[in-house]
Amino acid sequence: SQQGEEDPQALSIQEGENATMNCSYKTSINNLQWYRQNSGRGLVHLILIRSNEREKHSGRLRVTLDTSKKSSSLLITASRAADTASYFCATDANFGNEKLTFGTGTRLTIIP
Amino acid sequence: NAGVMQNPRHLVRRRGQEARLRCSPMKGHSHVYWYRQLPEEGLKFMVYLQKENIIDESGMPKERFSAEFPKEGPSILRIQQVVRGDSAAYFCASSPPAIPIQYFGAGTRLSVL
Repeated sequence: SQQGEEDPQALSIQEGENATMNCSYKTSINNLQWYRQNSGRGLVHLILIRSNEREKHSGRLRVTLDTSKKSSSLLITASRAADTASYFCATDANFGNEKLTFGTGTRLTIIP
Repeated sequence: NAGVMQNPRHLVRRRGQEARLRCSPMKGHSHVYWYRQLPEEGLKFMVYLQKENIIDESGMPKERFSAEFPKEGPSILRIQQVVRGDSAAYFCASSPPAIPIQYFGAGTRLSVL
């Protein structure tokens, strides 16, 4: 299976602190994306980084990609209670439309 | 622009019955994907369809499971003769052509008694 893994599996931090989650994958990729899933809900796309990019920002989110190590990290700065959710990385291997391979997820809890 | 619509949200079936899960993609999206999620796990790809065509069914079990995306109407994931191991959340996603971002529905939670 080429399913990736997130690390840590669970993370609890105080509101206002930064949260960092890591993702590792096994095969060559075209894109890597991060999605958020609130309990009992569908996934929401957060950010996409292409294989030829090393870092990307979107609001309070910062994503890095190291293709030599087959790993990515998601940093959420100045966390809020509403950031409590599970976070998944997902990869695809070819250009355009294609199935996504999801990691196992990090469950993030923000303590008010 | 309504999001991806899935129904029903919850479905209870007894062993041996059939389950039909429906998915209406976002307007303008011609690509539909089905994923399965077991509790505390990530999503596992099942099938990728375009209108009237199955593009990739590499994640679909060989027996009892089928999917379609007809010219008119929603995409259907059909599970025949359900077993307890089919209990899971089934998510549908859609995307426009040549865009790798997928937009997810709220899911259908299937419980097999």
